[in-house]
Amino acid sequence: NAGVTQTPKFQVLKTGQSMTLQCAQDMNHNSMYWYRQDPGMGLRLIYYSASEGTTDKGEVPNGYNVSRLNKREFSLRLESAAPSQTSVYFCASGRDSYTDTQYFGPGTRLTVL
Amino acid sequence: SQQGEEDPQALSIQEGENATMNCSYKTSINNLQWYRQNSGRGLVHLILIRSNEREKHSGRLRVTLDTSKKSSSLLITASRAADTASYFCATVLTSNTGKLIFGQGTTLQVKP
Repeated sequence: NAGVTQTPKFQVLKTGQSMTLQCAQDMNHNSMYWYRQDPGMGLRLIYYSASEGTTDKGEVPNGYNVSRLNKREFSLRLESAAPSQTSVYFCASGRDSYTDTQYFGPGTRLTVL
Repeated sequence: SQQGEEDPQALSIQEGENATMNCSYKTSINNLQWYRQNSGRGLVHLILIRSNEREKHSGRLRVTLDTSKKSSSLLITASRAADTASYFCATVLTSNTGKLIFGQGTTLQVKP
């Protein structure tokens, strides 16, 4: 099992460019999440998907959109990147609900110039 | 301030010593989880303790939960250099749909 995989590992964008971060899990989990991690701070939830076909906003959703493509895949899109979106992005998945353990991907380090 | 706050922010100890990290939170929880993050890597789940539990063990890890004080502690016994990492507590609130809310973390350095 690969667990949770994320692509790309690193990305540099110019302000205003768009991109999609990809996430996939092979653990047959129902729930998937996107977080961002900034220096000196814990992880903050951007969006989550409790199950295939549903998505909901987290703590910091502005400037992002998500798609739960199928049970395995959950993508995060930046439509018009801003320097404030420079961060490390983590995808995670969980078996049933938010009360369960979450399994994290290796992260995508994004820099917006 | 955040739901989960950890103390200390940084901790440096010698190999073989015990390391204790504390987490305080503000509102009622369903459970509290501890995660480890090695530099430049994703988070790894260590242990989950439910609101009706007071103590849990996993190998060299011991977690306590005091819901009356709204606090938890993570004890790593007989620390090793490989334990060097950041440790985060995360709470699942009872009041909403159970989103995981992370603290800012404790950075632990274990010197060989």
